[in-house]
Amino acid sequence: LAKTTQPISMDSYEGQEVNITCSHNNIATNDYITWYQQFPSQGPRFIIQGYKTKVTNEVASLFIPADRKSSTLSLPRVSLSDTAVYYCLVQPYGNNRLAFGKGNQVVVIP
Amino acid sequence: IAGITQAPTSQILAAGRRMTLRCTQDMRHNAMYWYRQDLGLGLRLIHYSNTAGTTGKGEVPDGYSVSRANTDDFPLTLASAVPSQTSVYFCASSAGTSGGELFFGEGSRLTVL
Repeated sequence: LAKTTQPISMDSYEGQEVNITCSHNNIATNDYITWYQQFPSQGPRFIIQGYKTKVTNEVASLFIPADRKSSTLSLPRVSLSDTAVYYCLVQPYGNNRLAFGKGNQVVVIP
Repeated sequence: IAGITQAPTSQILAAGRRMTLRCTQDMRHNAMYWYRQDLGLGLRLIHYSNTAGTTGKGEVPDGYSVSRANTDDFPLTLASAVPSQTSVYFCASSAGTSGGELFFGEGSRLTVL
């Protein structure tokens, strides 16, 4: 299983941009990077996926440097409802043995 | 659209008893997964299935078994439950075998006494 490392927790003020980092030093050539969000008592839900450079959708942006050994999820202007655990995982091509890890607890403060 | 349905939502079980957690999806997804979530340990993969008729071991498979007789169902069985299997169990599915979005159920909270 491809391993990822994330900070355990972080706080942010409402209205700020939040950048959540993830390290995946052993990422393979064909692996994708995917981020999920989980609220208490719910299953995780997909946020964004990327392979390299930058990907943006309606809720977040994903930045992946050229060496692909890390990635950063950017949430613009967070609100209190963005308080959640954020998971980064590496998705191997052709392999569904997907590890989520411990995630990063993000708390948005008023 | 139901998506992923898990049952039961919550269960208290005596140690040594057999228990099957049910998971059904209506999206015709090929791949399905079982994770357990414990405080401080995040989500850990128990077993997965790439397609009907195949299964694979995840990070923490011991004490659990799965079957994938058809596309829609992926039950998780604890043959003889132990207290360390107290956890929240999440089932998920995805369309293909090469990544893509995982869709999760709402979870089954299991307490083994």
